[in-house]
Amino acid sequence: NAGVTQTPKFQVLKTGQSMTLQCAQDMNHNSMYWYRQDPGMGLRLIYYSASEGTTDKGEVPNGYNVSRLNKREFSLRLESAAPSQTSVYFCASSEAPYYEQYFGPGTRLTVT
Amino acid sequence: EDQVTQSPEALRLQEGESSSLNCSYTVSGLRGLFWYRQDPGKGPEFLFTLYSAGEEKEKERLKATLTKKESFLHITAPKPEDSATYLCAVQGLGASGTYKYIFGTGTRLKVLA
Repeated sequence: NAGVTQTPKFQVLKTGQSMTLQCAQDMNHNSMYWYRQDPGMGLRLIYYSASEGTTDKGEVPNGYNVSRLNKREFSLRLESAAPSQTSVYFCASSEAPYYEQYFGPGTRLTVT
Repeated sequence: EDQVTQSPEALRLQEGESSSLNCSYTVSGLRGLFWYRQDPGKGPEFLFTLYSAGEEKEKERLKATLTKKESFLHITAPKPEDSATYLCAVQGLGASGTYKYIFGTGTRLKVLA
């Protein structure tokens, strides 16, 4: 039982490049989330998926897109990376929207 | 405006020295308040959920309490392994029916042996 897994663990991009962050959970959870964590800012919600087939914007969605591929997988795409997107990205899942969330180990992204 | 404020930002305790961390919040449509622990370089780890004022939860040396405006995480006789950043988060329901998830910036706790 791996919980929430994220790939890659580290990534360096040049401005304008694109990439997809992958997330998978094996807890049969319905809801999944993408956050970014920056020093002094705390965790901020980018997008969430309350259930399979639905996605909604969070607090900071600009520059990102998401896909809920199936119940297990929720990916985050940066179409044209910018230095302001340098951050640590966490994926999380929960049984339902008002339940506790379980987090992955994070992806450290640097955009130069 | 919805927000979560945690205090203090950092706290140093001697082993065995009890203290409390504070999380004050303003959010419309509160559905739950959560405490997480985060170790350096790792994702947050769930500790407690509180749903209504007056509710209390305990786990080993930690006890979380909730009022209508704030939550406290009490740490009794802490040990060095309790050193971590403790995050508070609130979940609410927006006017348009979308969910809101707001995290505080955390309290960095260091327990000295």
